[in-house]
Amino acid sequence: GAVVSQHPSRVICKSGTSVKIECRSLDFQATTMFWYRQFPKKSLMLMATSNEGSKATYEQGVEKDKFLINHASLTLSTLTVTSAHPEDSSFYICSAPPGGYAKNIQYFGAGTRLSVL
Amino acid sequence: TQLLEQSPQFLSIQEGENLTVYCNSSSVFSSLQWYRQEPGEGPVLLVTVVTGGEVKKLKRLTFQFGDARKDSSLHITAAQPGDTGLYLCAGAHNQGGKLIFGQGTELSVKP
Repeated sequence: GAVVSQHPSRVICKSGTSVKIECRSLDFQATTMFWYRQFPKKSLMLMATSNEGSKATYEQGVEKDKFLINHASLTLSTLTVTSAHPEDSSFYICSAPPGGYAKNIQYFGAGTRLSVL
Repeated sequence: TQLLEQSPQFLSIQEGENLTVYCNSSSVFSSLQWYRQEPGEGPVLLVTVVTGGEVKKLKRLTFQFGDARKDSSLHITAAQPGDTGLYLCAGAHNQGGKLIFGQGTELSVKP
């Protein structure tokens, strides 16, 4: 089946630094990818829709200058948490729909655990 | 806000018992997906339902999509400890579009 790779799986950083998370579709092209944030034992909260070649669409309440999204190719989207603070510590997950034969399916990355000290 | 209400949010049962998880919404979805997630990992797709009234079975798991495509249920027969995890329903209004997630059901099956 289709695979979405997310890297790194875990990152620990100091407050004030920026962290980049990558999401790659390994065997399909994804014109759209999605970024989620998840708190412990809670559901996924959609942060933004990443669009290849154009600006990302952010959900209400998500700071676009804080969470920079770049979708420069059909297989890669990146989420950069700028000037990270302890409250940004969370589990970040990306997903991508393969399209084509699997229009109603989305595949998820394994997630990135961000801890800001 | 287009919400997907999932219940119960927590469920602790003994091995061998049956259970049902519900997802309800006031809006119509083009498809609804069920995922299972283990701690520290991403959600893994269990099933996608697209047709009103559709029933799909995956071993001991039975998924149903409501006739009006506004609600869905997941029934697990004879639950096993290996079924423990977070179960998530998610609806899509467009093919390949963003998913609206329910609150999740944290299932614990005790031996």
